[in-house]
Amino acid sequence: GNSVTQMEGPVTLSEEAFLTINCTYTATGYPSLFWYVQYPGEGLQLLLKATKADDKGSNKGFEATYRKETTSFHLEKGSVQVSDSAVYFCALRIQGAQKLVFGQGTRLTINP
Amino acid sequence: EPEVTQTPSHQVTQMGQEVILRCVPISNHLYFYWYRQILGQKVEFLVSFYNNEISEKSEIFDDQFSVERPDGSNFTLKIRSTKLEDSAMYFCASRDREGHGYTFGSGTRLTVV
Repeated sequence: GNSVTQMEGPVTLSEEAFLTINCTYTATGYPSLFWYVQYPGEGLQLLLKATKADDKGSNKGFEATYRKETTSFHLEKGSVQVSDSAVYFCALRIQGAQKLVFGQGTRLTINP
Repeated sequence: EPEVTQTPSHQVTQMGQEVILRCVPISNHLYFYWYRQILGQKVEFLVSFYNNEISEKSEIFDDQFSVERPDGSNFTLKIRSTKLEDSAMYFCASRDREGHGYTFGSGTRLTVV
């Protein structure tokens, strides 16, 4: 089946630290990969996406590269800010399918 | 920026009662979805809706659940007889024909007591 596994949270970092949130997937077809972010009291917002192998998605200083050989889509940011505190969800969608398959989410807290 | 609007933000209901969760998707979007997240667990797909019919549903979406787009703007999820285990955050989402990404609402927290 199709599934997404994220690194366990919560993750707590100091401002300006380097961030990595690991995400690996299992898919029966060719997935598109996504990172969604949920700020407190808000809905899920698309952060970035990649639709084929070796694509790099980027937005707001975050990056993730679609690695087919390791079935991974790790989220990285070079210097985090307090405002990045949120829950981050990795997700996939198989080509031709309707639904997104989500990981369990990783809660990130950035301390000043 | 266009938004998906969900109401209410929080609903408390007695076990066995019917509940209707409401969503207003983005106006030019064609595909509509409901997802849910039980506290501490993954966001799970419930159902997708296109061209006025269900296009896909999960095993969670049993006969107690139904969806409707009654007037061309609202998209509702009805739970006919709520159970304690239906307590969760319910997210509505929509997307256009071409988009890879979905636009999600901010969710309705349903508490069944």
